[in-house]
Amino acid sequence: QVHLVESGGGVVQPGGSLRLSCAVSGLMLSGYGMHWVRQAPGKGLEWVAFIRYDGSNTFYADSVKGRFTISRDNSKNTLYLQMNNLRVEDTSLYFCAKDRNGYHSGGVDYWGQGTLVTVSS
Amino acid sequence: EFVLTQSPGTLSLSPGERATLSCRASQSVSSSSLAWYQQKPGQAPRLLIYAISSRATGIPDRFSGSGSGTDFTLTISRLEPEDFAVYYCQQYVSSPFTFGPGTKVDFK
Repeated sequence: QVHLVESGGGVVQPGGSLRLSCAVSGLMLSGYGMHWVRQAPGKGLEWVAFIRYDGSNTFYADSVKGRFTISRDNSKNTLYLQMNNLRVEDTSLYFCAKDRNGYHSGGVDYWGQGTLVTVSS
Repeated sequence: EFVLTQSPGTLSLSPGERATLSCRASQSVSSSSLAWYQQKPGQAPRLLIYAISSRATGIPDRFSGSGSGTDFTLTISRLEPEDFAVYYCQQYVSSPFTFGPGTKVDFK
């Protein structure tokens, strides 16, 4: 059974930082690309970032480029999202998601349950 | 950047009826790189279809995907009570790997 468990969400003031983690069990993370996807309250899904299986390349939505950094530690089977200079509009449930492939995206086949990030003064 | 539009925004149907959901891309989706997801309230999304028409593991055969180029369709042949949910399409041709805005299938 594949499980993805996010942590690190919380309430932060605008301009603040948070680091999200996603612990993966049931498979070797090193074989797969990974994503972060977010969903604002009552809204649709927004893709945030993707990292290739070996961390060699990363890709970002324009809305977070330059502020967020996706990374991974395959030895710990863990994915991360460092979020800096947070804005009110970053308030969302953040999902960790496993890609079907390792290098080029093949779509997401497993999702975590999400961790809530609230940016508010 | 790909922009995906989905129609209709809401589809009101009864159990047993056929549901046809549309996803249109702003440019041609190459390499069959289109997926469909189902999301129920309070739950994470679930992969239904990848590569336009391949069902994910454990997905019933009443779900089918079709299309090419810029126009794609998710069909649910006979709605079951558990199928009432929001459905999203996503392209994974190139970054940003955009989602459509979703179609809500609700009870008539």
